[in-house]
Amino acid sequence: AQSVTQPDIHITVSEGASLELRCNYSYGATPYLFWYVQSPGQGLQLLLKYFSGDTLVQGIKGFEAEFKRSQSSFNLRKPSVHWSDAAEYFCAVAIDQAGTALIFGKGTTLSVSS
Amino acid sequence: EAGVTQFPSHSVIEKGQTVTLRCDPISGHDNLYWYRRVMGKEIKFLLHFVKESKQDESGMPNNRFLAERTGGTYSTLKVQPAELEDSGVYFCASSSQPGSTYEQYFGPGTRLTVT
Repeated sequence: AQSVTQPDIHITVSEGASLELRCNYSYGATPYLFWYVQSPGQGLQLLLKYFSGDTLVQGIKGFEAEFKRSQSSFNLRKPSVHWSDAAEYFCAVAIDQAGTALIFGKGTTLSVSS
Repeated sequence: EAGVTQFPSHSVIEKGQTVTLRCDPISGHDNLYWYRRVMGKEIKFLLHFVKESKQDESGMPNNRFLAERTGGTYSTLKVQPAELEDSGVYFCASSSQPGSTYEQYFGPGTRLTVT
C-alpha cells in the first residue's frame, strides 16, 4: 500500500534561516505529489504540486520542492523563513489524477524563533 | 469566490449521541471528499463523491458513519451513535474535473470531541 513518511514531527528554525522539510513516499510508480500547509484555524492550503516534468517545483510563499525519484523523496525547502511560516506542513500523494484520494504524511509542525 | 466551508467549526457531544457535520464545496466542484484526522495520526481519507454519487467509500470506518450529498451540492456526514474514538478533526475538500490542474481545496475542518 502507498504511504507517506514525514520523519520530523516538530522542527524549530530561526527567522531568516533556511528550511527543509522531509517527505518520503512508498509507491511503485511516480505518484502525484503535494505539499499543504495548515495555519491555526485555517484549512489546508496547497503550497505546490508535482505531476511531471522539471523535478524542482516552485510554489507559493517562496517555497520550492524537489522530486528525487532515486530517493522516493519530495522535500520542501525555503531559503529564508519568516515568522508567519509557523504552521503544520503536510506532504501528500495521489496515485493518479482521476479524482482519487490523497494519502497524507503525519505532518511536521514548524516553529519559528526570533 | 468562496472557499470550502464547514459547519460547525467545533462540536462537543457525549458518547452515544448523534452529530451531523456539513460541508459546502466550492461552487461547481463535482468532486467532494471527506477526510479525518485523529489526534497524533495522519489525515485519512473517508470517502469521495462525484456529484451525488459515492465514488469511493473505502475509508469509512464503520456503519455508524453515513455520508450524503443530495443534489450534488453540499454534503453531510452523520455519526450515529458517536463513540470516543470518533473524536478528531473532519476535513472536507472539493475539486473540479480531474486534469492537469488537479487540486483539492480544503475547508477549515470540524473538530469533533466525543466525551
